[in-house]
Amino acid sequence: GENVEQHPSTLSVQEGDSAVIKCTYSDSASNYFPWYKQELGKRPQLIIDIRSNVGEKKDQRIAVTLNKTAKHFSLHITETQPEDSAVYFCAATPTGNQFYFGTGTSLTVIP
Amino acid sequence: EAQVTQNPRYLITVTGKKLTVTCSQNMNHEYMSWYRQDPGLGLRQIYYSMNVEVTDKGDVPEGYKVSRKEKRNFPLILESPSPNQTSLYFCASSSHSGSASYEQYFGPGTRLTVT
Repeated sequence: GENVEQHPSTLSVQEGDSAVIKCTYSDSASNYFPWYKQELGKRPQLIIDIRSNVGEKKDQRIAVTLNKTAKHFSLHITETQPEDSAVYFCAATPTGNQFYFGTGTSLTVIP
Repeated sequence: EAQVTQNPRYLITVTGKKLTVTCSQNMNHEYMSWYRQDPGLGLRQIYYSMNVEVTDKGDVPEGYKVSRKEKRNFPLILESPSPNQTSLYFCASSSHSGSASYEQYFGPGTRLTVT
């Protein structure tokens, strides 16, 4: 099955700086890559996703880039704010049914 | 309000005592799924269902059962729970009809402890 690796496991940035989280996947058939944010004690919520026919997608301060050749995708958060502090999970799916998640990145934005 | 609900939210039980965690969604979603979340391991998929009476194994199905008799409900059954099933469980649902996004809407989670 698919294997998704996520780095780093923890990340601290100063408020206003950028944060980048990277994920690699193993199955070249994977074609959908979502990113979920999970605040402490809360449920995961989708923040952005990308399909394999697109190289980059932006939504305000959040962007995702995908490199199909290298099989990696990254989450970019610019102008970070304290409310961005959370655990972020990447995921990949080759079928739209079976989802494989990374192990998570705990982001802390220091005011 | 569109939502996914789970019950119970917290459960402490003993090894071998059958239990069911219920999941219900009011968004008429075809797709539903169960995950477990453990520290350092992220979210791992247990079972998923594409529609009524259609279920399939995820990455970690051992020790679990599911059923999908109605579109809105997708219960998770632990026939004989063991301590290694102590975890935080999430149910999720998604609309797969004509959408470019497979956004999953998660329930609030069920924290299960098996002693």
